[in-house]
Amino acid sequence: ETGVTQTPRHLVMGMTNKKSLKCEQHLGHNAMYWYKQSAKKPLELMFVYNFKEQTENNSVPSRFSPECPNSSHLFLHLHTLQPEDSALYLCASSQDQSSYNSPLHFGNGTRLTVT
Amino acid sequence: GEDVEQSLFLSVREGDSSVINCTYTDSSSTYLYWYKQEPGAGLQLLTYIFSNMDMKQDQRLTVLLNKKDKHLSLRIADTQTGDSAIYFCAESIDTGGFKTIFGAGTRLFVKA
Repeated sequence: ETGVTQTPRHLVMGMTNKKSLKCEQHLGHNAMYWYKQSAKKPLELMFVYNFKEQTENNSVPSRFSPECPNSSHLFLHLHTLQPEDSALYLCASSQDQSSYNSPLHFGNGTRLTVT
Repeated sequence: GEDVEQSLFLSVREGDSSVINCTYTDSSSTYLYWYKQEPGAGLQLLTYIFSNMDMKQDQRLTVLLNKKDKHLSLRIADTQTGDSAIYFCAESIDTGGFKTIFGAGTRLFVKA
């Protein structure tokens, strides 16, 4: 079992829907991340939480809303998305943002298609 | 600036060695990482090297670091078809907290 679990694996939603992506980590980490991976584009960091506090928001549109209720769980709430938001959304965790060697551990992602 | 660059594609024959190259710009790198992404999956940490080291070997994987030229490479010996994937180079930089910068990834094709 992967240390970082994302659900659902696939999601198709209309532009007027509201849905949520879920991420759970079983590694005892304190930092969690959302990344967007689109075809032919580099990985885009969206949000970072460190000890449940949001430390980074990389100019992400407000139709994406993150939530981190505790260090093990991270959500990405989606509403009124656009077709260009279709991508693979990856969750990751790391020990924390202060540790010297703190590699990211990724989940398998949610493949999102906006119709 | 913070930038990590990799070539986009590499094609090798099964059994040959693969060498994937990466350059980075930030001098405050602490650790450098290689990740592997197979189709339909997330990124999997393969190996890492501390910025004060020159080389690290782990079974079929050899990481070489030239800190002066800010050049990192990953050599895969006896490349197998199962090694076909996208390989990402990443650096961890000290910005007061630690931040990971990823390259765009190198897609490795292994021909049987």
